[in-house]
Amino acid sequence: GAVVSQHPSWVICKSGTSVKIECRSLDFQATTMFWYRQFPKQSLMLMATSNEGSKATYEQGVEKDKFLINHASLTLSTLTVTSAHPEDSSFYICSASNPDSSNYGYTFGSGTRLTVV
Amino acid sequence: AQKITQTQPGMFVQEKEAVTLDCTYDTSDQSYGLFWYKQPSSGEMIFLIYQGSYDEQNATEGRYSLNFQKARKSANLVISASQLGDSAMYFCAMRGAGTYKYIFGTGTRLKVLA
Repeated sequence: GAVVSQHPSWVICKSGTSVKIECRSLDFQATTMFWYRQFPKQSLMLMATSNEGSKATYEQGVEKDKFLINHASLTLSTLTVTSAHPEDSSFYICSASNPDSSNYGYTFGSGTRLTVV
Repeated sequence: AQKITQTQPGMFVQEKEAVTLDCTYDTSDQSYGLFWYKQPSSGEMIFLIYQGSYDEQNATEGRYSLNFQKARKSANLVISASQLGDSAMYFCAMRGAGTYKYIFGTGTRLKVLA
C-alpha cells in the first residue's frame, strides 16, 4: 500500500533556530502534499497545500515566512520552521494523495513532534 | 461553509461490544466524500473507511461500517467487536467536490475496556 515517510518523528530545538521536517512518498508519486498542525487534544488544522514545482498555498493565518514549504520533487516535500519559538511547539503531520489509490483517502505520515525550548 | 461536528469528546466501550461514534456534517456541495481516520497515541493517521455522497449503500471495511444518513447529514462510524487496540482518537473528515482539502472534526477519544 501507499506509504508516506515523515522524518524526524520528534525534534527538540533551541529557540531561534530552524527545523526542517521531511515528508516522502515511498511508493507513489505525490503531486500534492498537505501539511497539518495539531495541538494537544485538538483536531488537525491544515497549514498549507504543497504542489510539486510550484509555490505552496497557505491557509489564512499561517505565516509563509515562518513555515517554509518546498516540494522539489514528486516524492518529497519539506516544511522548515524558521526562527522557531516555544509557541511553535506542536505536532506536525503531512499527507499525500495517491492517484492510484482505490480508497480515496490520503496517506498520512507518522508525524513530527516539535518542542522548542 | 463546510463543517464537521463530532459531539462525543470521549467514549468507553467494553471489549467485544459494538460502539457508534457520531459525526454530522454541513455542506452545500452535492458531491462530497466522508472519511474516518484513527489516530493512536503514536500520532499517525490511519485511514479507516470512505463514503461517497452518491453511494447508495453504507460503506463497510472489516469491523468498521459507516452509517450514512444523507437526509440527516450524518456519517456515524460503527465499530463491531471492539478490541483493546481500538483505543485511540477517531476523526471524521469531509472533502468537497473539486477540492483536495479535508475538513476534520474535533475527534472522539475511544477507550476500550477489558
